Amino acid sequence: GQQVMQIPQYQHVQEGEDFTTYCNSSTTLSNIQWYKQRPGGHPVFLIQLVKSGEVKKQKRLTFQFGEAKKNSSLHITATQTTDVGTYFCAAASFGNEKLTFGTGTRLTIIP
Amino acid sequence: NAGVTQTPKFQVLKTGQSMTLQCAQDMNHEYMSWYRQDPGMGLRLIHYSVGAGITDQGEVPNGYNVSRSTTEDFPLRLLSAAPSQTSVYFCASLETNTGELFFGEGSRLTVL
Repeated sequence: GQQVMQIPQYQHVQEGEDFTTYCNSSTTLSNIQWYKQRPGGHPVFLIQLVKSGEVKKQKRLTFQFGEAKKNSSLHITATQTTDVGTYFCAAASFGNEKLTFGTGTRLTIIP
Repeated sequence: NAGVTQTPKFQVLKTGQSMTLQCAQDMNHEYMSWYRQDPGMGLRLIHYSVGAGITDQGEVPNGYNVSRSTTEDFPLRLLSAAPSQTSVYFCASLETNTGELFFGEGSRLTVL
């Protein structure tokens, strides 16, 4: 079945530093989504990327979808304490639209 | 709208007991699904349904049953609980226009 690798597993940053998490698939994807889960909470949808090479921004968050549609990244500029949580990518392959979640990157912020 | 509602939030079972996790959504979504979340393993799909009367297996279906008699409800049944089913369970429904999954708040299950 489809595998989605997400790195790093953990990231500790000083408040104000940047943060990036990467998602890689063994197969070409039809789309990729990103979710954020606060400690003790449930995953919350952030964005969906569909087009090859697509870049989308939400305030300090920048999402990219690779040209080959096999990888994606989420970059946070100047992290804040509100960014704490685990970030998951979720990918769907062509012909199998069930979402496969990555293992997540847990972000902690040092004030 | 309440969104996706899961009950109970916490449950402790003994090995061999049965129980049902309830899930309801009021957004008229056709697609609903159940995930389990374990440390370091992300979210794994247990079962899903594309509409009333239709269910299918996900990645880790063994030990779980589902049914979908109405659009709103999608209960998950554990027939004979095992310690390996200790996990946090999330129900989700899909907004097809945006592809967004709406998750419930989760049910933390411990099997002793």
